[in-house]
Amino acid sequence: DIQMTQSPSSLSASVGDRVTITCRASQVIRNDLGWYQQKPGKAPKLLIYVASSLQSGVPSRFSGSGSGTEFTLTISSLQPEDFATYYCLQYNTYPLTFGQGTRVEIK
Amino acid sequence: QVQLQQWGAELLKPSQTLSLTCAVYGGSFSDYYWTWIRQPPGKGLEWIGEVGPRGRTYYNPSLKSRVTISTDTSKNQFSLKLTSVTAADTAVYYCARGQAQSFGELFAPREIDYWGQGMLVTVSS
Repeated sequence: DIQMTQSPSSLSASVGDRVTITCRASQVIRNDLGWYQQKPGKAPKLLIYVASSLQSGVPSRFSGSGSGTEFTLTISSLQPEDFATYYCLQYNTYPLTFGQGTRVEIK
Repeated sequence: QVQLQQWGAELLKPSQTLSLTCAVYGGSFSDYYWTWIRQPPGKGLEWIGEVGPRGRTYYNPSLKSRVTISTDTSKNQFSLKLTSVTAADTAVYYCARGQAQSFGELFAPREIDYWGQGMLVTVSS
């Protein structure tokens, strides 16, 4: 299985901060990666696909980059509604695998 | 607008079979992957398996011996069966849709873009 390692596992930030979350794959997955936001009691929501494409309806403060084994999700200016848990998902190789999640909390 | 609505038994005893169904409303049922994902309370997401555009199934090796995913294309529904459940199978179960990339007659999974509402299935004696 491809292991997806997210860092950090949690972070505290203030409204307006720039936030960066990293996901590292245990082997090359090209750009076959998505980023998801999950709020308590809700299903995950797709933010980014193929590593850097913004899903329709998602605010432009979210961006993704990377290819191969190293990927980044950036929130350029954190908003109150962005406090949530974020997951990466690789869909290059079965079984599909998620990162362990990054919890973004209010400082 | 695509919507996925799921249902099934929410409380099971050890050794019973978990059975969930997901109905797809809006959009096409063909040419997508239909996926099941679970999340134990307070933990991360685990991909269970999916059925692809030509009916081929793919399962997580950690669950493969106990999992069956099937479709009913006449009803735009797909189902999950997980046998011999234990407390470790207690989780919120999500159905979801995955995009598919076509290579002629072959397909590859892409991003998962629509999710059901999720339901907590508890296994307890």
